[in-house]
Amino acid sequence: DAMVIQNPRYQVTQFGKPVTLSCSQTLNHNVMYWYQQKSSQAPKLLFHYYDKDFNNEADTPDNFQSRRPNTSFCFLDIRSPGLGDAAMYLCATSRDWGGGSPLHFGNGTRLTVT
Amino acid sequence: TQLLEQSPQFLSIQEGENLTVYCNSSSVFSSLQWYRQEPGEGPVLLVTVVTGGEVKKLKRLTFQFGDARKDSSLHITAAQPGDTGLYLCAGARYNQGGKLIFGQGTELSVKP
Repeated sequence: DAMVIQNPRYQVTQFGKPVTLSCSQTLNHNVMYWYQQKSSQAPKLLFHYYDKDFNNEADTPDNFQSRRPNTSFCFLDIRSPGLGDAAMYLCATSRDWGGGSPLHFGNGTRLTVT
Repeated sequence: TQLLEQSPQFLSIQEGENLTVYCNSSSVFSSLQWYRQEPGEGPVLLVTVVTGGEVKKLKRLTFQFGDARKDSSLHITAAQPGDTGLYLCAGARYNQGGKLIFGQGTELSVKP
């Protein structure tokens, strides 16, 4: 089945130790997103790629970076995780940007910072 | 200020009861989506509504988009434990490009 796959499902890192989360998609969608979600709250958009075009949200900390080496893969790098970065990180894709194009989410990576 | 206000934020009911979740805004949306998120998983799209006054049914779930496209509701008939999860509404605004605005979610627990 076509889908959005995130690895790992659970990630534990130490305070200040860089961590990378990965996302792959078989939907061949143009847009890939990274969201941060804390304890049953709404997902918060960190950034998105339209193809190779990177778009950062104004309030996304510099500590968060992203790479999209090809259509299928996207990575979230947290350079120096703090305790406040512990959250569920959701990757999503959509066929297009705009017009309320529906999002297809992965199952998330739950990040714990010790 | 939350652009999309969902209410209630928490709802705990018994199996077989009916419930309604509301998603309200002072802004007009070109379309509105509803997602359900089960614990430990990503949100899954339930429905998209695009026309003012539109009503869509998905088995026991009924979705309505307000006539002015500023609000939406989700009604569940005879709730079951499998309906438990976080319900999120998300809207696309004309002057915000493609960015989806999420409500803060409604956490539903249906007890057997």
